Amino acid sequence: DAGVIQSPRHEVTEMGQEVTLRCKPISGHNSLFWYRQTMMRGLELLIYFNNNVPIDDSGMPEDRFSAKMPNASFSTLKIQPSEPRDSAVYFCASSPMLRVDNSPLHFGNGTRLTVT
Amino acid sequence: KQEVTQIPAALSVPEGENLVLNCSFTDSAIYNLQWFRQDPGKGLTSLLLIQSSQREQTSGRLNASLDKSSGRSTLYIAASQPGDSATYLCAVHGGATNKLIFGTGTLLAVQP
Repeated sequence: DAGVIQSPRHEVTEMGQEVTLRCKPISGHNSLFWYRQTMMRGLELLIYFNNNVPIDDSGMPEDRFSAKMPNASFSTLKIQPSEPRDSAVYFCASSPMLRVDNSPLHFGNGTRLTVT
Repeated sequence: KQEVTQIPAALSVPEGENLVLNCSFTDSAIYNLQWFRQDPGKGLTSLLLIQSSQREQTSGRLNASLDKSSGRSTLYIAASQPGDSATYLCAVHGGATNKLIFGTGTLLAVQP
């Protein structure tokens, strides 16, 4: 089991550029979550998918953020255009159950995004 | 709106000490509470999950308790080791949504 795989590990870009973060969940997991972690706000849920369908995107900060899950083994989080305040570590997590009632989340190692 | 608070924000102890990390939440209508560990530059690793009907869970030197009525959970670490040094986060899952709400974490340093 390779775990949740995120790429890239680090991304440095200039303000205004498009950024795409990628995630491969653990095979067989039905739920996928995107989180953002900053010193000021801690871990915030941006969006989550069940069976590839976006269920709740109320945490997405602005229209500049979008996420897709075209199939069970791949998801992307896109920021266009990026701004310095988007700098954070972005985590992807997956869970084997449709609900996290009784199954722990499995996190990737994150993508550290720096927007200059 | 659920709010999760962790105290202390940072803790330094000598190796071998038993220690307690605290987590409090404002809405007691939760499904479960989870404790995670985060090492620098890494993602989160789930340590313990306590269902709302349970009072505690144990794994090795770790014991987590849950008191829903008072909105509190504790993570007890016995005989701490330098390898326990990390940030510990609690998260609660509650209500009709499939969301975990995280606390801001406690940074633990165990001195050899």
